[in-house]
Amino acid sequence: AQRVTQPEKLLSVFKGAPVELKCNYSYSGSPELFWYVQYSRQRLQLLLRHISRESIKGFTADLNKGETSFHLKKPFAQEEDSAMYYCALRDSGGYQKVTFGTGTKLQVIP
Amino acid sequence: KAGVTQTPRYLIKTRGQQVTLSCSPISGHRSVSWYQQTPGQGLQFLFEYFSETQRNKGNFPGRFSGRQFSNSRSEMNVSTLELGDSALYLCASSLAGGHDEQFFGPGTRLTVL
Repeated sequence: AQRVTQPEKLLSVFKGAPVELKCNYSYSGSPELFWYVQYSRQRLQLLLRHISRESIKGFTADLNKGETSFHLKKPFAQEEDSAMYYCALRDSGGYQKVTFGTGTKLQVIP
Repeated sequence: KAGVTQTPRYLIKTRGQQVTLSCSPISGHRSVSWYQQTPGQGLQFLFEYFSETQRNKGNFPGRFSGRQFSNSRSEMNVSTLELGDSALYLCASSLAGGHDEQFFGPGTRLTVL
């Protein structure tokens, strides 16, 4: 069974401080990993996916298969980064059965 | 291009009733997935439809069912509602599933009294 764990329900950081949102997964196959974000009063939206290896809004995430982790990082937090962040996993074989973590609320303090 | 739309946005039902929720995907998208979001369990996958066929199913009881029409619009039905079914139900669409990005709707907030 696939499982995604986000150990922190709430993460508070000061503006300009580095951010790291933790995500660990368990899956026997070859997963695709994602980070989704939900800003206040907005829809859930894709932030980034490991296969694209992009940096979106200054965020990056590296898939570490040895540690089964996919932590989300940003060197300098901005107030507009305050949101709920969800880590998610999908079987790389396709189909849209996505398993989400329980989410971490990021609060950036001005 | 219009986003994913869901109707109704809010719904109040009583235990034992049944409910039908609707999702209209982005034009051209053929895959529709449904999720249940609750404070305790987070986002949980219900099922995915593609070309009118259920392609994937999560671990929910048979009271939860769905279907997809030829125009890719999808409905999900919950019969014999229980208090624990109170949740935000999210629909997401993608071009063909697989590795395509999912786009989420605003959700339908179901309250069961």
